[in-house]
Amino acid sequence: EPEVTQTPSHQVTQMGQEVILRCVPISNHLYFYWYRQILGQKVEFLVSFYNNEISEKSEIFDDQFSVERPDGSNFTLKIRSTKLEDSAMYFCASRGRDGQETQYFGPGTRLLVL
Amino acid sequence: AQRVTQPEKLLSVFKGAPVELKCNYSYSGSPELFWYVQYSRQRLQLLLRHISRESIKGFTADLNKGETSFHLKKPFAQEEDSAMYYCALTQYSGAGSYQLTFGKGTKLSVIP
Repeated sequence: EPEVTQTPSHQVTQMGQEVILRCVPISNHLYFYWYRQILGQKVEFLVSFYNNEISEKSEIFDDQFSVERPDGSNFTLKIRSTKLEDSAMYFCASRGRDGQETQYFGPGTRLLVL
Repeated sequence: AQRVTQPEKLLSVFKGAPVELKCNYSYSGSPELFWYVQYSRQRLQLLLRHISRESIKGFTADLNKGETSFHLKKPFAQEEDSAMYYCALTQYSGAGSYQLTFGKGTKLSVIP
């Protein structure tokens, strides 16, 4: 059964550094999402992406964040200048098409900003 | 604003006992509700959604619009049910976004 994959599984970075988190959604899916979960808190929506553009973003998704689908398979989340409070688990998800509301999640990338 | 509330952080039950994981929501439109489960060291995975009205692994959930609830139930808990359970609501935000709003989750621990 196809699955969403994410790399790396863990990343440690220094405050102020740029990080890129990578996701490979399920191949025939059209809608892509990033969520994050700070330790002990709820899973929070960051951004959704469709047809090569952002369709919705939360207030968390400020100018430090960007997303890209550089080729036909990868979907990336870039944090330009990481802050301590960016430390979290980041989940990628994908969804098929209209009428298919179920989102399929990747295993997550645990980001630690020191 | 939409919100999902799971009042219990941790729920411990004995094997064979009934389980009820509570979920309440607030949403102005017609919500679509889900239960996602996360077993230890595994990814979030869909357990069930209200519109399919199915039973998965013995779990059921009924949407009660009057009480704005979507509680998850199972008559007889099994050890393998121990996991983190998240209630989630989807909303249409334009351009087919369907972002998910999650509750904080309830950790179910089934005692042998």
